[in-house]
Amino acid sequence: DAGVTQSPTHLIKTRGQQVTLRCSPKSGHDTVSWYQQALGQGPQFIFQYYEEEERQRGNFPDRFSGHQFPNYSSELNVNALLLGDSALYLCASSLEGTSLTGELFFGEGSRLTVL
Amino acid sequence: KQEVTQIPAALSVPEGENLVLNCSFTDSAIYNLQWFRQDPGKGLTSLLLIQSSQREQTSGRLNASLDKSSGRSTLYIAASQPGDSATYLCAVRTGGSQGNLIFGKGTKLSVKP
Repeated sequence: DAGVTQSPTHLIKTRGQQVTLRCSPKSGHDTVSWYQQALGQGPQFIFQYYEEEERQRGNFPDRFSGHQFPNYSSELNVNALLLGDSALYLCASSLEGTSLTGELFFGEGSRLTVL
Repeated sequence: KQEVTQIPAALSVPEGENLVLNCSFTDSAIYNLQWFRQDPGKGLTSLLLIQSSQREQTSGRLNASLDKSSGRSTLYIAASQPGDSATYLCAVRTGGSQGNLIFGKGTKLSVKP
């Protein structure tokens, strides 16, 4: 059973550029969330996608946008990159339902370095 | 606003010791609490999930407790091993089953052979 997979694992960009990160959820999961983890910090919630719609959003600017596809995979896009966007970007998946535990499963992350 | 605090920030112990990691949260209205392990530069591995109605969960040498009324959780690791060295993160889920996770900054554990 494949877990959450993310690509690319590492990438380097320069200020002002745009980046797209990709995530495939755990088999059978329908909800995808994205988190940003700066060095030495806990992950911060960016947004969550369910049924191809952004359902919740954390305190991140509009430069951060996303998409969920019919197969539940997801993309995170960041425009006009800033040095402060350098971080580990984590994707998490879950299966929604009031009778379920709500446990989140995370991928290995995409390490973004902005120069 | 929910805030999660983990104490200590770092911990070094000799192999074989039993240890406790602490997590506190400011708002007791949580849906569940999840403990994760993170190796350097890697993603998060779920260790234990405690629903708001539960008091504890156990998996192997790990035991997590939850006292929702006091806003505290502990992760107990028995007979620590060098392979347990990692950062341990505590996260609470708010806003019901569809809510997001709010994380602490983690406790970096080092187990010396």
